[in-house]
Amino acid sequence: QVQLQESGPGLVKPSETLSLTCSVSGGSLSSDYWVWIRQPPGKGLERVAIYDSGRTTYNPSLKSRVTMSVDTSENQFSLKLTSVTAADTAVYYCARHVYGRAMAVWGQGTTVTVSS
Amino acid sequence: DIQMTQSPSTLSASIGDRVTITCRASQSINNWLAWYQQKPGKAPKLLIYKVSTLERGVPSRFSGSGSGTEFTLTITSLQPDDFATYYCQQYDNYWTFGQGTKVEIK
Repeated sequence: QVQLQESGPGLVKPSETLSLTCSVSGGSLSSDYWVWIRQPPGKGLERVAIYDSGRTTYNPSLKSRVTMSVDTSENQFSLKLTSVTAADTAVYYCARHVYGRAMAVWGQGTTVTVSS
Repeated sequence: DIQMTQSPSTLSASIGDRVTITCRASQSINNWLAWYQQKPGKAPKLLIYKVSTLERGVPSRFSGSGSGTEFTLTITSLQPDDFATYYCQQYDNYWTFGQGTKVEIK
């Protein structure tokens, strides 16, 4: 059974870079989609980035600041978001999307607060 | 991006009620539509995918329907565990979510 676990700093200063990692157990990054989703406090869900067989797509509103990378040898994928502001404060989730079956597996989420 | 509009934003209901949530897409999404349930402090949980296919382990009181641009999540006989926020999501063209519907106790 696939399990996901996010990790990274819970507090990031404004203008700095947010870095998160999602560790995958029980599954391979060479198939399916691997996703970062975020949820600002009290708000809805927002797609951040999607990885699919070597191709990565980003939310256009974040595209200039976000990078998703995949390390198949370590079976993990990462997110970097540069020049953060308070608007980037959110719970960040990683998830696995099986083709046609949507996101059935999610990490527990990690809260990132942008504050000085 | 395809816009997903859910209604209502909040719904007050009692145990045993039949509840319906609607999700409209700004264009056809070829039935690539999912529904998630989220409780406070928890990750979303997949309930339904491909409009009407129930995820393994999800109670049969949940059902999905619709086509084209209009879709519905129905909960027959609302149970205490069902009070939560529900999101629709299209995964036809990149992915976008509805803004959520909070089901609260009447």
